[in-house]
Amino acid sequence: DAMVIQNPRYQVTQFGKPVTLSCSQTLNHNVMYWYQQKSSQAPKLLFHYYDKDFNNEADTPDNFQSRRPNTSFCFLDIRSPGLGDAAMYLCATSRYIGGIGQPQHFGDGTRLSIL
Amino acid sequence: QKEVEQNSGPLSVPEGAIASLNCTYSDRGSQSFFWYRQYSGKSPELIMFIYSNGDKEDGRFTAQLNKASQYVSLLIRDSQPSDSATYLCAVKGAQKLVFGQGTRLTINP
Repeated sequence: DAMVIQNPRYQVTQFGKPVTLSCSQTLNHNVMYWYQQKSSQAPKLLFHYYDKDFNNEADTPDNFQSRRPNTSFCFLDIRSPGLGDAAMYLCATSRYIGGIGQPQHFGDGTRLSIL
Repeated sequence: QKEVEQNSGPLSVPEGAIASLNCTYSDRGSQSFFWYRQYSGKSPELIMFIYSNGDKEDGRFTAQLNKASQYVSLLIRDSQPSDSATYLCAVKGAQKLVFGQGTRLTINP
């Protein structure tokens, strides 16, 4: 089945220790997104790639970076995680065919804990 | 005013009844509207999407859109305990998908 896969499902890291979360997709979608979701809050868009074009949200901290080496993979790097970065990180994909937005399909998420 | 507003709930509905979830949005130029279901600790799952005014039905789910009133709703008929979840309304404006805070729905057996 075509899908969005995130690894790992659970990640524990130490305060200030860099961490990388990964996302892969078999949907061949040209847009990939990273969201942060904290408990009882709406998902918050961090950034997205339209093909290789990177689009950062204005309020995304510099501590968060992303890489998309090819269509299928996208990575979220947190350079120096703080306690406030503990959250569920969601990867999503969609097709962009202009105009009307297409549905976004989410992976299962990575729950990040900071010690 | 929030860009996308939902009744925060929680909303409690007896099993077999109709659950009605409401959402309003501020960007009059929005063209795409989505409903996601999210179980506790899980990721959002797409339930319905709607682009045109009127109703769109898929099984027990009906999405309703009224662009003049900037209002979109989700009806769940014959509610089941497995429908208990948080429902997120999401609206695509000019730039990005904006999520509401979600409505927590509980179906009571």
